[in-house]
Parts: sequence; C-alpha cells; structure tokens
Amino acid sequence: DAGVTQSPTHLIKTRGQQVTLRCSPKSGHDTVSWYQQALGQGPQFIFQYYEEEERQRGNFPDRFSGHQFPNYSSELNVNALLLGDSALYLCASSLSGENEQYFGPGTRLTVT
Amino acid sequence: EDQVTQSPEALRLQEGESSSLNCSYTVSGLRGLFWYRQDPGKGPEFLFTLYSAGEEKEKERLKATLTKKESFLHITAPKPEDSATYLCAVRAYGQNFVFGPGTRLSVLP
Repeated sequence: DAGVTQSPTHLIKTRGQQVTLRCSPKSGHDTVSWYQQALGQGPQFIFQYYEEEERQRGNFPDRFSGHQFPNYSSELNVNALLLGDSALYLCASSLSGENEQYFGPGTRLTVT
Repeated sequence: EDQVTQSPEALRLQEGESSSLNCSYTVSGLRGLFWYRQDPGKGPEFLFTLYSAGEEKEKERLKATLTKKESFLHITAPKPEDSATYLCAVRAYGQNFVFGPGTRLSVLP
C-alpha cells in the first residue's frame, strides 16, 4: 500500500518565478492538506482540499493556490516567489471525517 | 486563537535515561491532540491521537498522556534510534491542525 508521495524531492527557483508541487494521497484517502515548514519550526497549515474544492485555508497570501483532481491527487502553486518561501512543503492525506492524517516526505524548495 | 508550545526545545539523553517531553495547548473545543515523530529532511510520522483528559496511549518505548491543558510524551529507556524531532499538534472542532515547534531529542550511545 503506497503511502503519500510528493514530487519533486528538491527544487531550486529564482525570486519572482512560479512553482508547482505535486502530491498523491495514501490509497483510500480523499482529503489533502498542504503545510509549509520552515527550518526549525513546526508545520504551518496552508490549505485543505476535499471533493476538488478548497475547504479550509490558513494565513497565507493569495500567491499560494491549489487544486485537487478527481483521483484525489493535488497540486500546490506558488506565484511570485519570495526568498521567504524557501521551506519544506509537506502534503498530508486523510479520510474525510477521520482525525488522523499521514504526511508525505516533502518537497524542499529553495528560492534564490 | 489555538496555540501549542513545546518544551524543552532540545533534549540530550544518554541511552537508557528515561525522560518526558511536554506539550502545552490552548484550544476551544479539542477534537484531538496528536504526536508525530520527524526525522531530518523527512515528513512527520504519525505516532498517537489522544481525545480526552486522562487518556493514555503506548507504543514500544513511548507513552503519551493527556490532561486538559497539556500532554506528555514519556520515553522509557530510549535508544539512539529514538533521536528525532517530536511534534505535537491540536485540532479544534471546525478547525485544522495547529502544530507546536517541536522538541529535538538526541539519544547518545
């Protein structure tokens, strides 16, 4: 049973560019959440997708957007990258109505 | 606003030296408190969910407990492979997860 997968593993972008990160949820899960984790800090909630719609959103600007596909996989898009966007981006999946969420390995984004 | 703090920030133990990590939280309507383990450069690994004060859960050398204001993760006779960052998170009804900053645990052989 495949767990949560994310791609790419690492990414280096230049300030002002745009980036797309991808996530495939654990088999059987229908809900995907995205988190940003800066070095030495806990994950910060960006948003959650369920039934292809954004269900909840954390305190992140509109430069951060997402999408969920019919197969429950998801993308995180970040426009106009800033140096401060450098972080580990984590995807977590869960089954709607259940408490437990399971994380992928993350995508390390470096903005130069 | 939901808040989670963890202490200590970092902890060094000798192999076999038991200790506890603390997670203090402020939340309206706790739906669950969660413990995760995170190895460097990897995603958090789920450990426990606690739902109500007085609840305890165990897994190998780890035991999590919950009160109305805090949770403890007790580590009994730790081994070097227990070295990791331990994250605590809370979830209120109608809200999403709020994580603490974590405790970095190092277990020396």
